Amino acid sequence: QKEVEQNSGPLSVPEGAIASLNCTYSDRVSQSFFWYRQYSGKSPELIMSIYSNGDKEDGRFTAQLNKASQYVSLLIRDSQPSDSATYLCAVMMNYGGSQGNLIFGKGTKLSVKP
Amino acid sequence: EADIYQTPRYLVIGTGKKITLECSQTMGHDKMYWYQQDPGMELHLIHYSYGVNSTEKGDLSSESTVSRIRTEHFPLTLESARPSHTSQYLCASSEAGAGSNEQYFGPGTRLTVT
Repeated sequence: QKEVEQNSGPLSVPEGAIASLNCTYSDRVSQSFFWYRQYSGKSPELIMSIYSNGDKEDGRFTAQLNKASQYVSLLIRDSQPSDSATYLCAVMMNYGGSQGNLIFGKGTKLSVKP
Repeated sequence: EADIYQTPRYLVIGTGKKITLECSQTMGHDKMYWYQQDPGMELHLIHYSYGVNSTEKGDLSSESTVSRIRTEHFPLTLESARPSHTSQYLCASSEAGAGSNEQYFGPGTRLTVT
């Protein structure tokens, strides 16, 4: 069973701090990784995608990928109360008839305190 | 504006009724997906389609059915709704290439079966 694991949290950080969200995956050949933000009662919103080892920055968000260790992380700098949401890690499947579909983790709930 | 639409946004219906949840996208995407998500729980893929006249069942067994007669339209049907079908249903789409598979979600339909 291919899996994507995330700490469910809640992760609580003060406003202005760096929030660090982690995700591990079991499929060694996965090549595509995504972070989604989901506010309570809303649908997931794609915020970052990463395909190569290393860091990818977009504004206050940085995604980090380490394929050898099979983990991907998301850093949120200068956290704001509006960043309070559940962050979903997703990994693209590379096997069988479902190749190209995404496996989602259960999500980490982030709370940014003013 | 390119977007993905779902109707209705909220639906309360009695047991035994037939319902169709609509999903349309103007993204120009070939791939479309249906996910089911209970409050505070993870996303489960229930159906997907890689193009017109192509439909497949996802990882989570579902009594629903789907059709893909037009590229932009991917409706989901429940022939006889039951309380166990109460959930949020999310539609998503992505480009056809073997590369990124960035999925974009519609706003969701929250279904309550009484």
